Amino acid sequence: SQELEQSPQSLIVQEGKNLTINCTSSKTLYGLYWYKQKYGEGLIFLMMLQKGGEEKSHEKITAKLDEKKQQSSLHITASQPSHAGIYLCGADGNTDKLIFGTGTRLQVFP
Amino acid sequence: ETGVTQTPRHLVMGMTNKKSLKCEQHLGHNAMYWYKQSAKKPLELMFVYNFKEQTENNSVPSRFSPECPNSSHLFLHLHTLQPEDSALYLCASSQGGGVGGELFFGEGSRLTVL
Repeated sequence: SQELEQSPQSLIVQEGKNLTINCTSSKTLYGLYWYKQKYGEGLIFLMMLQKGGEEKSHEKITAKLDEKKQQSSLHITASQPSHAGIYLCGADGNTDKLIFGTGTRLQVFP
Repeated sequence: ETGVTQTPRHLVMGMTNKKSLKCEQHLGHNAMYWYKQSAKKPLELMFVYNFKEQTENNSVPSRFSPECPNSSHLFLHLHTLQPEDSALYLCASSQGGGVGGELFFGEGSRLTVL
């Protein structure tokens, strides 16, 4: 079965710093999703990537899907306290269900 | 009305109790999902309903019983649970007709089994 591994598991950064979260799949990705979750709450969709080499941005968050379509990265520029939360990647594998990574917990301190 | 609403937000139950979690979506979607989120584990897909038909049961113990009376409502009936079933249960919906596309999540029901 397909698995998604995220790194790092947790991240603490100072406000204003840049950071990157990675998501690596054990199999080819047919669709990669990034979600953000505040502790104890539901997930909020950030963006979806489908094509190898695709890159999307939303405000200060940029996500890329690598050419070989087995890894994605999420980059936050000039982090703010509002960026704090758990970031999860999700993937459409070659099955008909969406699976998720273990998540990366981000804390941003002033 | 928010897109996906879950009730109750918090539930504490004994191992012999019977309770239900409710999910309602106002997005006109045709697929609904139950996910379980435990500490330090990936989000686990439990059940998928597509056009009211169950299309996925991810080897979930029978003490969890889903019900989908229509495309807008999804229930998770709970009975004789174990302490390890304590978790955040998330409901989600999507357009349906096959996986792919954005999932819209509710805020979750935090379950504690004593």
